[in-house]
Amino acid sequence: KAGVTQTPRYLIKTRGQQVTLSCSPISGHRSVSWYQQTPGQGLQFLFEYFSETQRNKGNFPGRFSGRQFSNSRSEMNVSTLELGDSALYLCASKQVSGANVLTFGAGSRLTVL
Amino acid sequence: DQQVKQNSPSLSVQEGRISILNCDYTNSMFDYFLWYKKYPAEGPTFLISISSIKDKNEDGRFTVFLNKSAKHLSLHIVPSQPGDSAVYFCAARFHRAGSYQLTFGKGTKLSVIP
Repeated sequence: KAGVTQTPRYLIKTRGQQVTLSCSPISGHRSVSWYQQTPGQGLQFLFEYFSETQRNKGNFPGRFSGRQFSNSRSEMNVSTLELGDSALYLCASKQVSGANVLTFGAGSRLTVL
Repeated sequence: DQQVKQNSPSLSVQEGRISILNCDYTNSMFDYFLWYKKYPAEGPTFLISISSIKDKNEDGRFTVFLNKSAKHLSLHIVPSQPGDSAVYFCAARFHRAGSYQLTFGKGTKLSVIP
């Protein structure tokens, strides 16, 4: 069974640009969550999608958005990039919305110059 | 507001000895707790969990203890091995807006010295 796949693994952008990150969950998993990991803040919750609907959202500005497609694949977008957006963005999936264990992808490392 | 706190950013332990990683939480509504391990350039992987109705859960070399009155949990690794060197995240589950969410601590970097 393939794991959670995130693309791209690494990317470099400049301030003001926008970026789109992609996540393919484990087959059969309908819930996808996104987290931002930075050295000072650990893992911070961005949002969760379930059956193409956003179920929950963390405390991030509106520049951070996401969506989920009918095949459960998800994308997140960050517009008007700031230096502080440099981070590892992690996607995680689980089989049903109430399940406990998230399975994470390897992440997309974003560097904003 | 950091509801899950891992106050030790790093910990060094000799191979073969016990590693104890600590986690404190503030929200009494958390009903499930998990530990994840993360190696560099990889995503976090699930390690062990415990329900709030229990005080101990064991899985091989890993044991998690929960003290609800103190709002404290700990992960014990015995014996520690060099391959255990990683960042360990404590996570707690809560119910919000019709689904369960996990909130994570900032992590503790464990170094097991051969």
